[in-house]
Amino acid sequence: GAGVSQSPRYKVAKRGQDVALRCDPISGHVSLFWYQQALGQGPEFLTYFQNEAQLDKSGLPSDRFFAERPEGSVSTLKIQRTQQEDSAVYLCASSSPGTSYSNQPQHFGDGTRLSIL
Amino acid sequence: GENVEQHPSTLSVQEGDSAVIKCTYSDSASNYFPWYKQELGKGPQLIIDIRSNVGEKKDQRIAVTLNKTAKHFSLHITETQPEDSAVYFCAAWDSSGSARQLTFGSGTQLTVLP
Repeated sequence: GAGVSQSPRYKVAKRGQDVALRCDPISGHVSLFWYQQALGQGPEFLTYFQNEAQLDKSGLPSDRFFAERPEGSVSTLKIQRTQQEDSAVYLCASSSPGTSYSNQPQHFGDGTRLSIL
Repeated sequence: GENVEQHPSTLSVQEGDSAVIKCTYSDSASNYFPWYKQELGKGPQLIIDIRSNVGEKKDQRIAVTLNKTAKHFSLHITETQPEDSAVYFCAAWDSSGSARQLTFGSGTQLTVLP
């Protein structure tokens, strides 16, 4: 597709269950980002990949959160033993690499709305 | 780390009037400032961006200004239309170090009244 695709669009899970969220970036984009957006707030950075390498995971809130991008394309964000405070929209964005001085725009998917009961 | 503050949190204007949203940032190393529009149930959509070597950028009815000295930047929308109604986010990016992340403001709910 032409844009960033995320699935599922909605996910409901019971507290304590594990969930997996998928992101298909724009074809050819080597940089991929995950963000968490709480209701009424701006997106907050979780983690960043360049190709298959996870270069920054400083935003992951706990060790229950894990992200991977094994072949440098599709990425999965996994949350283990979910808790109610994990309820949020999880956004994925991708961009061309750019240089260290010049950044390329990040293009977002429509997100996965996660509700933990 | 970077901190971005955005004002106002809500803004109502009459159709045809102008709207201005302002943001400040804390990290003087930040050098890229995008603006996103987010409609209900959708992801943020990039509408305009500006880099630190430019003071102003325009794209039809949308313009962004940057004051590096004061560390603030603003979004200007002229001749507003009902379809401009959405939540707008500013963001700042610092690529000078190892960080590779955008820091977002808290958003402005813009309502254009017909």
